[in-house]
Amino acid sequence: SAVISQKPSRDICQRGTSLTIQCQVDSQVTMMFWYRQQPGQSLTLIATANQGSEATYESGFVIDKFPISRPNLTFSTLTVSNMSPEDSSIYLCSVEDPGYPADTQYFGPGTRLTVL
Amino acid sequence: EDQVTQSPEALRLQEGESSSLNCSYTVSGLRGLFWYRQDPGKGPEFLFTLYSAGEEKEKERLKATLTKKESFLHITAPKPEDSATYLCVGGTSYGKLTFGQGTILTVHP
Repeated sequence: SAVISQKPSRDICQRGTSLTIQCQVDSQVTMMFWYRQQPGQSLTLIATANQGSEATYESGFVIDKFPISRPNLTFSTLTVSNMSPEDSSIYLCSVEDPGYPADTQYFGPGTRLTVL
Repeated sequence: EDQVTQSPEALRLQEGESSSLNCSYTVSGLRGLFWYRQDPGKGPEFLFTLYSAGEEKEKERLKATLTKKESFLHITAPKPEDSATYLCVGGTSYGKLTFGQGTILTVHP
């Protein structure tokens, strides 16, 4: 399975500022995903990022708030813009390992964000 | 609407006390049923994929089984290090995952 790293592992930010989270994979992958996990909740998909195309956002998430870059097949960034305390969550990236009949997703270690 | 429901929400066991976690699913076009383990503040760690009813997979003290409507994660003689949240996840095409809310397992020494 792919080895995934995220930076930073955690951060404390002031409201109104922005934070960019990096996700690095040790092998080339087609699809990368960004999730949010609010305290005590399960994971919610923010967007799917394919290299060379615009990210596809899920209902309730918009590009202005969560811009995503995918410059190559091993790297992606998620920016949380104009943060408020409601953005305090763990942000996770994942990659898909193609398989049949189902692809398996592997998750990074997460970025714990606290907004004051 | 696709749905994955896990029970119980929390389970406390004594070390060595075997038990099972339940996952009921209604996922249209299900291609795989996944189990993950998640430690506090960390990302989910992949455990198993089950593809068809009747399939079983084992890893150390864990065994996952699948029927047409449910999946079970059996934990045999658990140890304190098995304490974590266990997530049941339904997978369909194009990376779409439906997550259960998880079962928080605590194993006391």
